[in-house]
Amino acid sequence: AQSVAQPEDQVNVAEGNPLTVKCTYSVSGNPYLFWYVQYPNRGLQFLLKYITGDNLVKGSYGFEAEFNKSQTSFHLKKPSALVSDSALYFCAVREIFSGNTGKLIFGQGTTLQVKP
Amino acid sequence: EAGVAQSPRYKIIEKRQSVAFWCNPISGHATLYWYQQILGQGPKLLIQFQNNGVVDDSQLPKDRFSAERLKGVDSTLKIQPAKLEDSAVYLCASSPTGTYTGELFFGEGSRLTVL
Repeated sequence: AQSVAQPEDQVNVAEGNPLTVKCTYSVSGNPYLFWYVQYPNRGLQFLLKYITGDNLVKGSYGFEAEFNKSQTSFHLKKPSALVSDSALYFCAVREIFSGNTGKLIFGQGTTLQVKP
Repeated sequence: EAGVAQSPRYKIIEKRQSVAFWCNPISGHATLYWYQQILGQGPKLLIQFQNNGVVDDSQLPKDRFSAERLKGVDSTLKIQPAKLEDSAVYLCASSPTGTYTGELFFGEGSRLTVL
């Protein structure tokens, strides 16, 4: 069964420093990988996705993520964190093969705290 | 473009009572999802519709939860009777037809508290 793991419940970083939020996945076939962000009392907002091609994908708000097939990882990164980046981040995976319903499987989430 | 609309935003009920949540997806999106997000956990899929047909309801507790999507547009999720463990945020999402590569668009959620 496909699954996603986010090993850190919380990540703390100072404003202006680079940030990384970790994600590892387990699927039988090739994965489609997604990152979403959730602000308090709001729904999930799409940040970026990896489908195929370049292992480094760029998304909204200056975020990027690196797909590493050998390590089955898809870590979210940003070169310079902002206080406004503080939120809950979810990694998700969707398998690609026939018969799959296309549903997203989410990790448990990582809270990012950016301190001024 | 209007986003996914959900109502009510907040609901407090006592256990064994019933509750219903409504969702209107983005216009033209044929696929609609209901997710349950318990505090401290990632969203879990309850049911997925393609137009007005159910594609996946394997994790829907069918003894108490039901959902419908009449006419393939808006959808209602019902819980009857509610249990304490049903306290969660219920998220509705939609996506265009047949897009495995596409992202889901989420509403702001309906927060349920069961006392």
